Amino acid sequence: ETGVTQSPTHLIKTRGQQVTLRCSSQSGHNTVSWYQQALGQGPQFIFQYYREEENGRGNFPPRFSGLQFPNYSSELNVNALELDDSALYLCASRRDSNLNTEAFFGQGTRLTVV
Amino acid sequence: AQSVTQLDSQVPVFEEAPVELRCNYSSSVSVYLFWYVQYPNQGLQLLLKYLSGSTLVKGINGFEAEFNKSQTSFHLRKPSVHISDTAEYFCAVRLPPGGGGSNYKLTFGKGTLLTVNP
Repeated sequence: ETGVTQSPTHLIKTRGQQVTLRCSSQSGHNTVSWYQQALGQGPQFIFQYYREEENGRGNFPPRFSGLQFPNYSSELNVNALELDDSALYLCASRRDSNLNTEAFFGQGTRLTVV
Repeated sequence: AQSVTQLDSQVPVFEEAPVELRCNYSSSVSVYLFWYVQYPNQGLQLLLKYLSGSTLVKGINGFEAEFNKSQTSFHLRKPSVHISDTAEYFCAVRLPPGGGGSNYKLTFGKGTLLTVNP
């Protein structure tokens, strides 16, 4: 059983650019959540996808968007990057969004906006 | 809404000493409670969780935590730490499943950096 994998591991972008981060869910998991972890902070919930639809969102602007594909892998897209978007972005997958199941986290993508 | 407060941002201890990392939460309804560990340049790994039942929960790597409803606390303990326990520890809460709403997201504290010195 493979774990949650994220790509790329590190990324440097310029302010105003757009970025796409990718997440491959653990086998058998149909729910993916994305979190932003700024330096020295705990992770903050961005949104969750369940069976290809967004079914929950945190306090993030619309320029943060996502997709989930039929194989349950997922993308996080951020438009018009700002310096404050620099953070570790974590993806977590679970088996079902409504059941008491554990979320497994990937190693994250470190995004630096300059 | 739920919130989590980790009372210590940094906890330095010597190897083989006991340690307690403190966590308090705020919620108007019952919640699930979690402790995660994050090693440098890594994602989050679940240490233990409290869902219901016994208030003393045992996790991996010799850690345990006790849920105290009256004090809204979920402190993490280990009787004897190792150098390899040096990491960032996060306490988190989540609503139980059922009834829709925001039961899916984890709300984290700001973390406690545990440094184990020889």
